[in-house]
Amino acid sequence: DIVLTQSPATLSVTPGESVSLSCRASQGISTSIHWYQQKSNESPRLLIKFASQSISGIPSRFSGSGSGTDFTLSINRVESEDFSVYYCQQSYSLPLTFGSGTKLEIK
Amino acid sequence: EVQLVESGGGLVQPGRSLKLSCVASGFTFNNYWMTWIRQAPGKGLEWVASITNTGGSTYYPDSVKGRFTISRDNAKSTLYLQMNSLRSEDTATYYCTRDLIYNNYFDYWGQGVMVTVSS
Repeated sequence: DIVLTQSPATLSVTPGESVSLSCRASQGISTSIHWYQQKSNESPRLLIKFASQSISGIPSRFSGSGSGTDFTLSINRVESEDFSVYYCQQSYSLPLTFGSGTKLEIK
Repeated sequence: EVQLVESGGGLVQPGRSLKLSCVASGFTFNNYWMTWIRQAPGKGLEWVASITNTGGSTYYPDSVKGRFTISRDNAKSTLYLQMNSLRSEDTATYYCTRDLIYNNYFDYWGQGVMVTVSS
């Protein structure tokens, strides 16, 4: 199984800061990584597909990069509505797996 | 507007069965694979089952293989998850998701339905 390791587990930031969240795969997965945001008591929402492809309706401050084993979700100038948990997910091979999440919290 | 509405959750004893449903609307159901994903209380996301758009193929992780069965009725735009031999570790919120053919990412999620396995 492909293990996805997200870091840090928690990230404390001030609104207006820019941040980078990491997702590392246990083996090469090309660009088969997708990012989701989950706000408290809500369903997850797709943010980025295939490492860097944007999703309609998602603010442009969210962007993704990486290939192989190392991936990054970047948020340019965090806004108050962005404080939530972020998950990466791989679709390279079955079983489909998710990272354990990064919680973005207000400093 | 795409909508996925789950139902059928509740409290069930270990070893018993439960069947979840998900009614889809706002898109052509038989053009998409569908997937169930679950989330234990306070935990992360776990893939549970996927089904192709025709229903001809299904996929499961080892944790549920042989106990859970995913199916669909394209005429009713409805997805199902039959869960047998339930265990305490199956306690979770179960999400119905839309899955792009061959892409295996999830662009729409239902609101989720809670399943609690406890005596």
